[in-house]
Amino acid sequence: QSVLTQPPSASGTPGQRVTISCSGSSSNIGSNTVNWYQQLPGTAPKLLIYSSTQRPSGVPDRFSGSKSGTSASLAISGLQSEDEADYYCAARDDRLNGWVFGGGTKLTVL
Amino acid sequence: EVQLVESGGGLVQPGGSLRLSCAASGFTFSSYSMNWVRQAPGKGLEWVSYISSSSSTIYYTDSVKGRFTISRDNAKNSLYLQMNSLRAEDTAIYYCARENIDYTNHPYYYYMDVWGKGTTVTVSS
Repeated sequence: QSVLTQPPSASGTPGQRVTISCSGSSSNIGSNTVNWYQQLPGTAPKLLIYSSTQRPSGVPDRFSGSKSGTSASLAISGLQSEDEADYYCAARDDRLNGWVFGGGTKLTVL
Repeated sequence: EVQLVESGGGLVQPGGSLRLSCAASGFTFSSYSMNWVRQAPGKGLEWVSYISSSSSTIYYTDSVKGRFTISRDNAKNSLYLQMNSLRAEDTAIYYCARENIDYTNHPYYYYMDVWGKGTTVTVSS
């Protein structure tokens, strides 16, 4: 059971906009920022969004993040076939003194 | 090029030990805190351990406390994870990850920005 809660799956057609939610508590998302990772099959996680809303250089602006209270969201607009991957949210947890992750959301591009 | 390369994984019997290494290059290793994160087959990501840049602060997830030891050698640009009393549930790909800091806000924001490709640990008889 993951500390952060994500939907196990999401889907969309090319060009569509999809959102993935991430729910936590006051000790993690409520008091820290959220980071999002993309994991393509057989590869290591790649940082997609940091500090809840910031994109590292090289990440397309189709990807955006937001946070409100103890929840966060990742939005992907103009969906492309290469976006098919697993997406994880993560946050520091002040009570556990470590990082917590969501269970991951498998995104399918139909 | 900023890079992390893990090594040391393999097949080990329950109760056995392994020492994982993570070699860093392309950045000032001694300036960054580091983490180990694992992923069991077909499962999600799980944080395992954290070590600060000077090794003064160390944290573990509850399931590995007393069995795993994180350490680093800044002179060798290397991070380690000594794993003892291994269990079947420790079977996973183990990633080392650099922890970076976003100084544009206060309090500072933290994130793991560089990940290695991982090393596979299999605990089985």
